[in-house]
Amino acid sequence: DAKTTQPNSMESNEEEPVHLPCNHSTISGTDYIHWYRQLPSQGPEYVIHGLTSNVNNRMASLAIAEDRKSSTLILHRATLRDAAVYYCILEGSNYKLTFGKGTLLTVNP
Amino acid sequence: DAGVTQSPTHLIKTRGQQVTLRCSPKSGHDTVSWYQQALGQGPQFIFQYYEEEERQRGNFPDRFSGHQFPNYSSELNVNALLLGDSALYLCASSLYSGINYGYTFGSGTRLTVV
Repeated sequence: DAKTTQPNSMESNEEEPVHLPCNHSTISGTDYIHWYRQLPSQGPEYVIHGLTSNVNNRMASLAIAEDRKSSTLILHRATLRDAAVYYCILEGSNYKLTFGKGTLLTVNP
Repeated sequence: DAGVTQSPTHLIKTRGQQVTLRCSPKSGHDTVSWYQQALGQGPQFIFQYYEEEERQRGNFPDRFSGHQFPNYSSELNVNALLLGDSALYLCASSLYSGINYGYTFGSGTRLTVV
């Protein structure tokens, strides 16, 4: 399974943008890039996913490098409710998500 | 619209016993995956069921088995429980349509083996 590398933790201030980086240098051409987040005592929550082009939804934006070896999850205005562990995951054709340890995002009021 | 429902929410079992966990997928979803999440770790893939068959399996022993019913709900069975099986067990559902819409996770079942 292709692996991802994320910082262990990041900190942000409320109402400021947050850029969460992810490296995936061994990504294959058919791997989708997924982002999920997990709040304490809850299951992971889908945030966004993409293949090649940048993607936007109501929660976030996903910026994918041209060579697809890295991506960035962008939260445009962080709120206290965005404090969570964020997972960057590659999903290939084997139907499974391989989670790492993720990035713990702390949002300061 | 109800999301993924898992039961029970918490469970305490004794080493050597057997346990069954249940999952109802999100309405409209036909595929169910199970994950194990140890404390402080990311979830680990156990297996996935589609059309009542196990389609893919992670690196878990045969003590872990599952089933999917015609209504798409699923069960995870673990035999001969070990202390190391204590974890949060997550169910995720999705729609197998050839287009990737992402997975919806339940809140999990917290299993404690004593």
